[in-house]
Formats: sequence, C-alpha cells, structure tokens
Amino acid sequence: GDSVTQTEGLVTVTEGLPVMLNCTYQTAYSDVAFFWYVQYLNEAPKLLLRSSTDNKRTEHQGFHATLHKSSSSFHLQKSSVQLSDSALYYCALNMATGGNNKLTFGQGTVLSVIP
Amino acid sequence: EAAVTQSPRNKVAVTGGKVTLSCNQTNNHNNMYWYRQDTGHGLRLIHYSYGAGSTEKGDIPDGYKASRPSQENFSLILELATPSQTSVYFCASGGRQAETLYFGSGTRLTVL
Repeated sequence: GDSVTQTEGLVTVTEGLPVMLNCTYQTAYSDVAFFWYVQYLNEAPKLLLRSSTDNKRTEHQGFHATLHKSSSSFHLQKSSVQLSDSALYYCALNMATGGNNKLTFGQGTVLSVIP
Repeated sequence: EAAVTQSPRNKVAVTGGKVTLSCNQTNNHNNMYWYRQDTGHGLRLIHYSYGAGSTEKGDIPDGYKASRPSQENFSLILELATPSQTSVYFCASGGRQAETLYFGSGTRLTVL
C-alpha cells in the first residue's frame, strides 16, 4: 500500500534561519495529491499546503514545497523561520482521482524554533 | 470555516469498559474519518465513512467499531477498552476526492 516517510522526529532551528522538513513516499499510483498539515500545540491539524503537479512549487504562509515524482519527495521548506512556526508537521498523500478518499500520513516532524 | 466538533474532550475509562467517542460536522461533507495520534506513529486511520449508513475499515481497525447514523454524526466505539488504546483521537470530515480534511479538536482517552 501507500506509505509516507518523515525521517526526522524533531528538527531544531534558530529563528531567522532556513529549514527543510523531509518527506518521501511510496505509491503504486501516478495520480496522487500531496499535503502538508500543521498542528500547533493543543490544536487540531490543519492544511498548510497541497500539490498534485510534478515540479511545480506551491507556497503558503511563507512555506513552500515542490513535488518531485522522480525522487518521490515533497519536502517542506522555509527560508527564514519564526518562533511561531514551532509545531508538529505532517506530510500526507491521497489518491487525486478514483480510489478511496483517505489520507495516508507520515509519522510527523516536530519543528522547534529557538531564539 | 468548516466545523467539526468532538466530545468528550477528555475521557478516563477502565479496562474492559465501553467507550463511545462522538463527532459532529456541519460542513455537509460526505466523508468522515477517525484517526488516532501517537508519538512516533503520527496519525493512523481507524475507520472512515463515505456517507450515512456506511463505515469502512482503515489501517488499524482492530478493537474499534464505527457508526454513521447521519450525514452529520460519526461515532467511534471501543466495546472492551484496553490500556493500549490510550491515545488522542481525531475526527475529520472531507469533501470530494483529495480535498482538504477538517479536523476536530481531539479527544484525549486514557484507559486505566
């Protein structure tokens, strides 16, 4: 079945520096949508950004990600992190057309931004 | 903003007891989901539903049942709760294929 891998459980970055959260995946399907969800402390997960187009950069709230089907990756990046970016980040995939409409999530990466 | 409401927010249960977690959505979404969240495992799908009267098994359904009596309501039932089911449970609703999921605030369940 489909799987999503986030290799880092915790990433600690100093405020103002760049960050990249890794996400790789395995799927037998070609028509798949990818998501990054963010969960702040004691809140519900919510959508950060979404993409289903190969090699197209998607941006939201200063974060960006580019789907690379050639390397099965959808890494999340930000050029200058803020203290308020500290949160739990999930990468996920879903069938874009047909099939079951259910997301497969990675294990999650905690981003800790320090002053 | 789409609205998903879970109850209770916190629940303490005894081993072997029955637990029912409730979820209500006002988004008129066909699809609803139950996930559990555990450190190191992320969000794992327990059961989901495509509409009133339907329930489907997710990736970790053992020990759980689900019920979707109406478009708005989706319940997760633990008939015989075990300590391994101690976790945070999230309900979510979503529209068509691959659209955004909207999550509730979660239920923290502790089974003693």
